[in-house]
Amino acid sequence: GIQVEQSPPDLILQEGANSTLRCNFSDSVNNLQWFHQNPWGQLINLFYIPSGTKQNGRLSATTVATERYSLLYISSSQTTDSGVYFCAVEGLGGTSYGKLTFGQGTILTVHP
Amino acid sequence: NAGVTQTPKFQVLKTGQSMTLQCAQDMNHNSMYWYRQDPGMGLRLIYYSASEGTTDKGEVPNGYNVSRLNKREFSLRLESAAPSQTSVYFCASSSREGTEAFFGQGTRLTVV
Repeated sequence: GIQVEQSPPDLILQEGANSTLRCNFSDSVNNLQWFHQNPWGQLINLFYIPSGTKQNGRLSATTVATERYSLLYISSSQTTDSGVYFCAVEGLGGTSYGKLTFGQGTILTVHP
Repeated sequence: NAGVTQTPKFQVLKTGQSMTLQCAQDMNHNSMYWYRQDPGMGLRLIYYSASEGTTDKGEVPNGYNVSRLNKREFSLRLESAAPSQTSVYFCASSSREGTEAFFGQGTRLTVV
């Protein structure tokens, strides 16, 4: 099945700093989503972005499907941005079709 | 609009006991999923259902059974719980393959 690799595994920032999280995947995708898992365990949809660029406030994401990677940008980070960020992809065919495969996540800690 | 609702939120079982985790969505979605999340890991797919009346195995199906009762509901059953099934379980739904998936708030299950 499709493989998903996220980097870095851990990231520590001071409030106000910017950061870039990366997601590499091993095959063509039908779907790519970024999630934020907050300290209470809730999974929050950030972006549905199988290709192209989207922005939502301080967050933006870019997926370059032909090169099999996606980037999540967080600008002017706040303590409430802390948590785990997951990339999840659905392959275009084969055993990965119709199912989201998750990366291992990036643990973000933002200090005041 | 509740989205994806899971019950219960917390459960403690003794080894060998059985239980059913319930999931319902009110978004008229065709596809539904069950994932588990173990400490420090991403989510892994247990079972999914592409439409009412169909189910298929995911990455870690052993020890579980599922029922797609109707379009709204997708239940996960543990017939004989084992400590290795201690995890957080998430239900999700999407309109169809390749579309944005939405997750419930999770069920924290402990098997002692």
